[in-house]
Amino acid sequence: DIQVTQSPSSVSASVGDRVTITCRASQGIGRWLAWYQQKPGKAPKLLIYSASTLQSGVPSRFSGSGSGTDFTLSISSLQPEDFATYFCQQANSFPYTFGQGTKLEIK
Amino acid sequence: QLQLQESGPGLVKPSETLSLTCTVSGGSIISSSYYWGWIRQPPGKGLEWIGSIYYNGNTYYKPSLNSRVTISVDTSRNQFSLKLTSVTAADTAVYYCARQIVGATSDFDSWGQGTLVAVSS
Repeated sequence: DIQVTQSPSSVSASVGDRVTITCRASQGIGRWLAWYQQKPGKAPKLLIYSASTLQSGVPSRFSGSGSGTDFTLSISSLQPEDFATYFCQQANSFPYTFGQGTKLEIK
Repeated sequence: QLQLQESGPGLVKPSETLSLTCTVSGGSIISSSYYWGWIRQPPGKGLEWIGSIYYNGNTYYKPSLNSRVTISVDTSRNQFSLKLTSVTAADTAVYYCARQIVGATSDFDSWGQGTLVAVSS
């Protein structure tokens, strides 16, 4: 299985800050990586697919980049509703695997 | 607007079979563009893909769960189902059904709200 490792596991930030979360795959996965946002008690929500394509309706302050084994999710100018847990998912090959999550907390 | 809704028992005894159904509304399960998948999340932990099914019944499962998992589809009811046999406490989780894009992206673009299944005697 392809392992996906996120860092950091948690991060504290303030409204208006820029935050970057990293996802590293154990082998090359091209650009086949997705990012999800999950709020407490809710299902994950797709934010970005194919490493950098914004899902319809997702604010443009979210952006993704990377290819191969290293990927990043950036959130510019954090808003109160952005405080949540973020997961990456490798979509390159079966079995599909998720990162362990990054909890974004208010400082 | 597409909606997915999980249903099934919230409590299952150890060694028994967990059975859940996902009802899809606002769109047809018969589509060449999508798989239909199950993902679970133990309390306070990360996400684990269990398996997915195509409308024609083709399935693929996480290898480590393959011996215990069956996913089936009922196109007449616009539903797909999960069966997980010989459950233990380690199978306690929120179970989500989701729509998965066919093709290179393979992301999950629409999710049910999730249902908590506890394994306990």
